[in-house]
Amino acid sequence: GAVVSQHPSWVICKSGTSVKIECRSLDFQATTMFWYRQFPKQSLMLMATSNEGSKATYEQGVEKDKFLINHASLTLSTLTVTSAHPEDSSFYICSARVGGAEQYFGPGTRLTVT
Amino acid sequence: AQSVAQPEDQVNVAEGNPLTVKCTYSVSGNPYLFWYVQYPNRGLQFLLKYITGDNLVKGSYGFEAEFNKSQTSFHLKKPSALVSDSALYFCAVVGSSNTGKLIFGQGTTLQVKP
Repeated sequence: GAVVSQHPSWVICKSGTSVKIECRSLDFQATTMFWYRQFPKQSLMLMATSNEGSKATYEQGVEKDKFLINHASLTLSTLTVTSAHPEDSSFYICSARVGGAEQYFGPGTRLTVT
Repeated sequence: AQSVAQPEDQVNVAEGNPLTVKCTYSVSGNPYLFWYVQYPNRGLQFLLKYITGDNLVKGSYGFEAEFNKSQTSFHLKKPSALVSDSALYFCAVVGSSNTGKLIFGQGTTLQVKP
C-alpha cells in the first residue's frame, strides 16, 4: 500500500515551452501533497505544499507563476513548469501525506530543458 | 530554527562490516524522525521512523536507528553491510506537525565495497 506515482518519469522539452508533471496517490487519499526539487547529489528542496481544493503554499524563493501547482482531487496533484528554461532542468519529486507525519514519495521526474 | 545535520558527505565500509550513518537534529518539541534511502534517478524509499516509544527503531532491509534525546541524534545502523546498500541516505524531521513539512539533512552517500 501507500504507492505514489509520477508521470512522466522523464521529459525533454525545448526552452520556452511548458511541461506538466502528474503526481498520483494510487491506493490512498492524500490530504496533502508536497513538491520537491533535487539537484544532482544534493538534498531535496521543498518547493510547495498543496492541499486538495485550495491554493498551494510556496516556499520562499519559489516563483508561483512559474511553477503552477493544482491539487484537483485527493489523489492527484500537478506541477506545471511554465516557459521552461535550461536552469529549470532538475529532478522533481512529489510526496503525499495521509494525515500523520509520514510522507510517501513518488519515483521522481527528470526534466531536461534544451 | 529547526534543522537536521548529516555531518558526513560519504561513508565507506567493507561488505560484511557494520555501518553507521550519522544524523543530529534540532527541533522544538518532540521530534518525528525519519530515514530514507535514494537510489540513482529514483524517489525516496522509507526505511524507518521514530515517533515515540522505544529508542531503538527497526526498519526495512535490516536497518535500525537509535534515538538519543540527550545527544539529539538519530544515527542509522546496520550490523552487516551489503554492496546493494550503496546509495544516498537522508535523515529528516517533521518541521511542523500542522503542515507535515519535512526538513531534510544534506544526505550521506554510503559506499559499500566488496
